[in-house]
Amino acid sequence: AQTVTQSQPEMSVQEAETVTLSCTYDTSESNYYLFWYKQPPSRQMILVIRQEAYKQQNATENRFSVNFQKAAKSFSLKISDSQLGDTAMYFCAFSSPYGGATNKLIFGTGTLLAVQP
Amino acid sequence: NAGVTQTPKFQVLKTGQSMTLQCAQDMNHEYMSWYRQDPGMGLRLIHYSVGAGITDQGEVPNGYNVSRSTTEDFPLRLLSAAPSQTSVYFCASGPGLAGGVYEQYFGPGTRLTVT
Repeated sequence: AQTVTQSQPEMSVQEAETVTLSCTYDTSESNYYLFWYKQPPSRQMILVIRQEAYKQQNATENRFSVNFQKAAKSFSLKISDSQLGDTAMYFCAFSSPYGGATNKLIFGTGTLLAVQP
Repeated sequence: NAGVTQTPKFQVLKTGQSMTLQCAQDMNHEYMSWYRQDPGMGLRLIHYSVGAGITDQGEVPNGYNVSRSTTEDFPLRLLSAAPSQTSVYFCASGPGLAGGVYEQYFGPGTRLTVT
């Protein structure tokens, strides 16, 4: 069974600095999808970035980028120029295109990020 | 598009009561699902549906029922609420195989308290 592990329950960063959130996963499949979701205090789950395992190039969305290391099964999120609005819980998630539940998401336990002014 | 909508936003139930959490999406997505979020445990899949008339169990299905009579709606029923079902519930939808992408779009969540 696939698992997703986020080993940093909480992190803190100063405004305008860069922070990296860690995520590791376990799977025996060769093709899959990885996501980072943001959950601000409003509780809404917001997709930040996604990575397809067969693509070697790391995904980037404005200030958010990932470091995808397939062999190491690592998928970290880098937030550059941190802003107060980045304060949120961040979840790493895994999805496989195989099997019946092709959209089933497996989540990590989350990292609570606090951006300090 | 309203996206994924959920009602109610908050609900308090007494043990043994029943209720239905409503979920609707207007994106014509095949795939819909229900997750629960508990402190320190991330989100866990309760039930999911890959199309109208088709549902299946996720990781934590006990105590919950679902049905999918239309593409748009996917209600979650608690038949006899228990304090262990106190949680935040999220409905999500995604385009599934037809869309070729696998991210899901989430509703705003329902905070349920069972006393």
